[in-house]
Amino acid sequence: AQSVAQPEDQVNVAEGNPLTVKCTYSVSGNPYLFWYVQYPNRGLQFLLKYITGDNLVKGSYGFEAEFNKSQTSFHLKKPSALVSDSALYFCAVRGARDSSYKLIFGSGTRLLVRP
Amino acid sequence: SAVISQKPSRDICQRGTSLTIQCQVDSQVTMMFWYRQQPGQSLTLIATANQGSEATYESGFVIDKFPISRPNLTFSTLTVSNMSPEDSSIYLCSVVSGRTGYEQYFGPGTRLTVT
Repeated sequence: AQSVAQPEDQVNVAEGNPLTVKCTYSVSGNPYLFWYVQYPNRGLQFLLKYITGDNLVKGSYGFEAEFNKSQTSFHLKKPSALVSDSALYFCAVRGARDSSYKLIFGSGTRLLVRP
Repeated sequence: SAVISQKPSRDICQRGTSLTIQCQVDSQVTMMFWYRQQPGQSLTLIATANQGSEATYESGFVIDKFPISRPNLTFSTLTVSNMSPEDSSIYLCSVVSGRTGYEQYFGPGTRLTVT
């Protein structure tokens, strides 16, 4: 069965410092991996995806994520956090061979960037 | 990316009543999805709605409780029937990117409170 784990309910970081939000996954075959962000009272916004190719993918708002097949991880990173990055972040996965396009979401990690 | 709108954005309903949520997309899409996000929780897929066929429901969700219509390639409705306080959630529709066929884009959500 497909699953996604986000081991941290909350991540706290000071503005200007690097941030990492962790995600590990389990899927049959090759994975398609995604990160979404949810601001208060807003829908989900797509940040970035890994489909194939370079293990380091870059996305919106300066975020990037590194796909590590051996560790089945897809951690979200940003070199310098902003207070405005404070939000709820979701990792999601689906199998590359899954024609249903169904996404399995992690439990979410709340990022709090303090000034 | 697709532009998705939902109506209503929020509603407060009484137990035992029904609410129909509309999802409108600015382009034709084959696959649409309905998710539920219970308070403080992650997203759970309710059903997949493809135009011209019956919706496909996930385990734990049934058509009598969550009937879905998909009359054309830009529109869908989800009805939450015979509501109880446990149905209080954010309901989101999403579509698969027509350009890449990988990422999903989400509407702003409908925040439902059942009293």
